[in-house]
Amino acid sequence: EAQVTQNPRYLITVTGKKLTVTCSQNMNHEYMSWYRQDPGLGLRQIYYSMNVEVTDKGDVPEGYKVSRKEKRNFPLILESPSPNQTSLYFCASSSDLHSYNEQFFGPGTRLTVL
Amino acid sequence: GESVGLHLPTLSVQEGDNSIINCAYSNSASDYFIWYKQESGKGPQFIIDIRSNMDKRQGQRVTVLLNKTVKHLSLQIAATQPGDSAVYFCAESTGFQKLVFGTGTRLLVSP
Repeated sequence: EAQVTQNPRYLITVTGKKLTVTCSQNMNHEYMSWYRQDPGLGLRQIYYSMNVEVTDKGDVPEGYKVSRKEKRNFPLILESPSPNQTSLYFCASSSDLHSYNEQFFGPGTRLTVL
Repeated sequence: GESVGLHLPTLSVQEGDNSIINCAYSNSASDYFIWYKQESGKGPQFIIDIRSNMDKRQGQRVTVLLNKTVKHLSLQIAATQPGDSAVYFCAESTGFQKLVFGTGTRLLVSP
């Protein structure tokens, strides 16, 4: 089954404790992206990657890092989480950079930073 | 399920009615638009898209209308069903996969 998976689905942590949210897709997609979703603000892009070892900042990159060492994986790293990073996070992927194609979203990760 | 918005505009319809969800976009340079559906506890799911060189596109039970003059996008759902209850987002793009999402509209369908 073609899908985007994220782990963990739920995470409660404390300020300053490094964490990683994993994202993996099995569709051989080149493009992957991370969004955060907050009430009243919709989805905002954090980082995106156009291919292996190619990443770039989205609209709200502060406090986040990403890596793209393999095509299928695109982890989101919070080196020192803060309470304002409490949010619902979605990973997405799509196949073709050079035409407009559907982005497939993962199921989401609910992060709470105390 | 996951809460996607505490104060979203809400459209309430009866089962079998037609629903129209509206979206005003901000960037006159946007040339690609998508509607997503998000059910509680799930990620957004693609419904239908439209390019700026079109003003109407139809899918199965859904139609998207684009009015570039007033930067307005609408999603029409025919014969709305309880399973259509969800939050609907429009998204715009100026290209290269960068999407900017709207804040969403909640659709409630009563049997």
